[in-house]
Amino acid sequence: NAGVTQTPKFQVLKTGQSMTLQCAQDMNHNSMYWYRQDPGMGLRLIYYSASEGTTDKGEVPNGYNVSRLNKREFSLRLESAAPSQTSVYFCASSEGPRGQGIDGYTFGSGTRLTVV
Amino acid sequence: AQTVTQSQPEMSVQEAETVTLSCTYDTSESNYYLFWYKQPPSRQMILVIRQEAYKQQNATENRFSVNFQKAAKSFSLKISDSQLGDTAMYFCAFMKPYNNNDMRFGAGTRLTVKP
Repeated sequence: NAGVTQTPKFQVLKTGQSMTLQCAQDMNHNSMYWYRQDPGMGLRLIYYSASEGTTDKGEVPNGYNVSRLNKREFSLRLESAAPSQTSVYFCASSEGPRGQGIDGYTFGSGTRLTVV
Repeated sequence: AQTVTQSQPEMSVQEAETVTLSCTYDTSESNYYLFWYKQPPSRQMILVIRQEAYKQQNATENRFSVNFQKAAKSFSLKISDSQLGDTAMYFCAFMKPYNNNDMRFGAGTRLTVKP
């Protein structure tokens, strides 16, 4: 089925460890996004890539880096994990900046990350 | 920056009854989109309904409808004939089109449908 695939689904890290969350979409979307979801705060934008070759910071970028590897793939890296980064992470994609965006986002199934 | 506010952290409703979830937003834009997303315990984000700001007619999708009040910057979701499967977190979201299409979300409302 077409959609957004995120890996892994669950991860436990020790403080200071690094890891990369992977995201791939097969809908030929131009734009991709990383959000984190915390209780009582909804989803907050970490980074986004409006089109292949570009990335920009969102609301809460500190402690994260991203790579738009190609049109399909957009990864999120935690270089030195901290307990404050314990969260559920969602990748999403959309038609893109030249599109109306009325279709909204297609979301991945999320990654639950715990930093101990 | 646009902000989205959902003032009801939790709500409950009896099966087959009607419930309304509230959402307000703050923007200076005249053209934008509003969305309601459902997140069941599976964690998957599911689009429930969407509204284009330049359309006066309220959107409807089966048992789901919205009350869009542009001047008041209000976008409430009405669920009719509530079903047990409607139990979920519901997020209201705002998007400005033809930009980067980044979406801003409210904090969510946890809805429980009771048998």
